[in-house]
Amino acid sequence: AQSVSQHNHHVILSEAASLELGCNYSYGGTVNLFWYVQYPGQHLQLLLKYFSGDPLVKGIKGFEAEFIKSKFSFNLRKPSVQWSDTAEYFCAVILNRDDKIIFGKGTRLHILP
Amino acid sequence: NAGVTQTPKFRVLKTGQSMTLLCAQDMNHEYMYWYRQDPGMGLRLIHYSVGEGTTAKGEVPDGYNVSRLKKQNFLLGLESAAPSQTSVYFCASSYPAGGPMNTEAFFGQGTRLTVV
Repeated sequence: AQSVSQHNHHVILSEAASLELGCNYSYGGTVNLFWYVQYPGQHLQLLLKYFSGDPLVKGIKGFEAEFIKSKFSFNLRKPSVQWSDTAEYFCAVILNRDDKIIFGKGTRLHILP
Repeated sequence: NAGVTQTPKFRVLKTGQSMTLLCAQDMNHEYMYWYRQDPGMGLRLIHYSVGEGTTAKGEVPDGYNVSRLKKQNFLLGLESAAPSQTSVYFCASSYPAGGPMNTEAFFGQGTRLTVV
């Protein structure tokens, strides 16, 4: 069963546009949530993470995400994207009942200069 | 401090050949993972380990075996390679979730494997 889903498979935006990538998970217990980025030809790097506390999480490069427990969501946002944000973005979750990391299928983001 | 190191970075195999991919981490992480990445499929978990001497199956374990004889190393084996195993393989490691050292997973640079 799919525990984490990303709604958008491919997103195309112009520079300076605002970005929101959706991520939902299906588990009612405690979760740890992550967004990773993979630039072309590279490995995955952490953008931001949520373990507990303030549900609005700030990450690197101007990214942020909000954990909304009632909606089982952890959407990634950036107010103004840059061409260098072209990459694939993965949402991931650790369900503390299992303790292993589960990834969504990824969203490929293409920013037009 | 190298983090997570995968060897080799590239490999071409003929159908039926065997090979072992090595993952080494120097962060004293308990958990280690092997994923494969294919276009449009995201990252799929092959096998993982929650500690030295333990392994468990992930989402797509068929055709692969693993071993975790030392805490810092996690080996992925292909006994008889098939073209369907052409992929990019990533290793990752982490501390257990919810523990005192709770943190994210760290990834290796990947191994691009082609089976012809």
